[in-house]
Amino acid sequence: EAEVAQSPRYKITEKSQAVAFWCDPISGHATLYWYRQILGQGPELLVQFQDESVVDDSQLPKDRFSAERLKGVDSTLKIQPAELGDSAMYLCASSAPSGDYNEQFFGPGTRLTVL
Amino acid sequence: DAKTTQPPSMDCAEGRAANLPCNHSTISGNEYVYWYRQIHSQGPQYIIHGLKNNETNEMASLIITEDRKSSTLILPHATLRDTAVYYCIVRVVGSAGNKLTFGGGTRVLVKP
Repeated sequence: EAEVAQSPRYKITEKSQAVAFWCDPISGHATLYWYRQILGQGPELLVQFQDESVVDDSQLPKDRFSAERLKGVDSTLKIQPAELGDSAMYLCASSAPSGDYNEQFFGPGTRLTVL
Repeated sequence: DAKTTQPPSMDCAEGRAANLPCNHSTISGNEYVYWYRQIHSQGPQYIIHGLKNNETNEMASLIITEDRKSSTLILPHATLRDTAVYYCIVRVVGSAGNKLTFGGGTRVLVKP
């Protein structure tokens, strides 16, 4: 069964350092999402891509976060510089139009710890 | 998208049915009810969705009240592997974005 791949699974960094996360969506899925999940809370959308274009980045802290999906396939989320409050799980999801609903498939996530 | 209200936690006995309530009193006519669950240290997993009619699949059943202001997710025979956080989400299908707005969810603990 096709899955969303993410790497790394775990990342520990010091504040002010740069970090990057990678996501490979399910083949053929045009829509890709990055969510952030703080411990004990539900995931929150950071950015959504339709192919290579950003559809929604209203919750992305653009002073330090950036996301790209250059060829409309895999995607990279970057944080520079990392802050203590960025410690969270970063989840990637993808979806494809399918009838009357758009089920999102999530990857295993990258757990970031900022020291 | 409409806001949902769920109990923060509930316990269930293994082998028994688990009934998870969700209130969505401000739901609009074109909003669907979705359920996802998140097992510890994994990404959320789609369970089921519905608009007006009750729905059933291999994982669960979804019962939506006639006025659509609330719904219940039923896990017919809970197993220990059903221990997870369950999220009830309402959203417009096909809207610009299709994002999922997660609340706090219900933390379900299935006990032997």
